[in-house]
Amino acid sequence: DTGVSQDPRHKITKRGQNVTFRCDPISEHNRLYWYRQTLGQGPEFLTYFQNEAQLEKSRLLSDRFSAERPKGSFSTLEIQRTEQGDSAMYLCASRLASGGTGELFFGEGSRLTVL
Amino acid sequence: GIQVEQSPPDLILQEGANSTLRCNFSDSVNNLQWFHQNPWGQLINLFYIPSGTKQNGRLSATTVATERYSLLYISSSQTTDSGVYFCAAGGGADGLTFGKGTHLIIQP
Repeated sequence: DTGVSQDPRHKITKRGQNVTFRCDPISEHNRLYWYRQTLGQGPEFLTYFQNEAQLEKSRLLSDRFSAERPKGSFSTLEIQRTEQGDSAMYLCASRLASGGTGELFFGEGSRLTVL
Repeated sequence: GIQVEQSPPDLILQEGANSTLRCNFSDSVNNLQWFHQNPWGQLINLFYIPSGTKQNGRLSATTVATERYSLLYISSSQTTDSGVYFCAAGGGADGLTFGKGTHLIIQP
């Protein structure tokens, strides 16, 4: 499968714990995006990378949220000291920065439940 | 930032009917996509259509960029077409802005 891959698909945690999600983009895509989707809403943009550089992070929801893409391939999204309001689907997407259409492709998402 | 509005929010149709979903956006865009979100939450790409018209089987889409709207047409609806349809638009390198979606129910 050469699509965007996310892990884990489901995560249940207790309030106050840290969680980390991983995203493996389509192999030739150098842009990688993270989104959050809550129930009944459309996905909400959080941050994006071009290769290993994080070019936009002002829309991360709080300083408890951080993302990395250390070698310009896979990325991780970490939430520290989780709160019940963090329960949501976390979606990763990737695309080519140039030379392609700009079409964004999404993974299957990581669903977080904070108890 | 770009605002994206979708209508109608909910749509219930009988199998075999045709439907039109609308997406209005507030600024010029160089990326506009339509997605179908499956019951497991994955966003399935339907169309990449910043302008013009495209067709794929029973689905087609038209974007009139100068008037800042896009339409998704579904003909001869089937129960498997049920789900949430999202329009998303973007003007640059930043991520797409999504509408709130149209929840489509096709009844047998």
